[in-house]
Amino acid sequence: SAVISQKPSRDICQRGTSLTIQCQVDSQVTMMFWYRQQPGQSLTLIATANQGSEATYESGFVIDKFPISRPNLTFSTLTVSNMSPEDSSIYLCSVRGGAGDTQYFGPGTRLTVL
Amino acid sequence: AQRVTQPEKLLSVFKGAPVELKCNYSYSGSPELFWYVQYSRQRLQLLLRHISRESIKGFTADLNKGETSFHLKKPFAQEEDSAMYYCALRGSQGGKLIFGQGTELSVKP
Repeated sequence: SAVISQKPSRDICQRGTSLTIQCQVDSQVTMMFWYRQQPGQSLTLIATANQGSEATYESGFVIDKFPISRPNLTFSTLTVSNMSPEDSSIYLCSVRGGAGDTQYFGPGTRLTVL
Repeated sequence: AQRVTQPEKLLSVFKGAPVELKCNYSYSGSPELFWYVQYSRQRLQLLLRHISRESIKGFTADLNKGETSFHLKKPFAQEEDSAMYYCALRGSQGGKLIFGQGTELSVKP
């Protein structure tokens, strides 16, 4: 199975600032994803991080607000830009690969925006 | 459109009782269905997937294409089964994983 780490694990940020979340995987994976889990809600896919090209965003999410980088097959970053309290959520990195093409999840980054 | 519905937000049962967590889906093709579980203070992890047709921790789930359902069942619930359970769907073209709202299972002693 893939082991995923995320940094930071949590942060408290001021309105109007930006935060970059890092996701590191212990093996090369084909597909990486970023999800958001708002308080009391389910997981919502933000985007698919594509290696060597622009991320593919889901409806309701835009690159200016959530720029994503994926410089190689084991690393990705998600930036939450110009934050507002509504961005307070858990942000999860997820990867897919390995036996059975299973999808694995990172521990999440808990973001609070004041 | 792809959609996963878990009608119960909270399901509370006593230890030893049978449990069924409901999941219905909407998808025009042949999807892959999954159950993920999140125990307290742990990350989300795969419990089982329909193509494996296996039993994990005593849980089983059968894909019913006629009723578009993938309910999770266990004949005798244990306290350690208390967790958040998410049903998820992946389309036939192997793309993104879409989650239901989740059901919190509470197993009381």
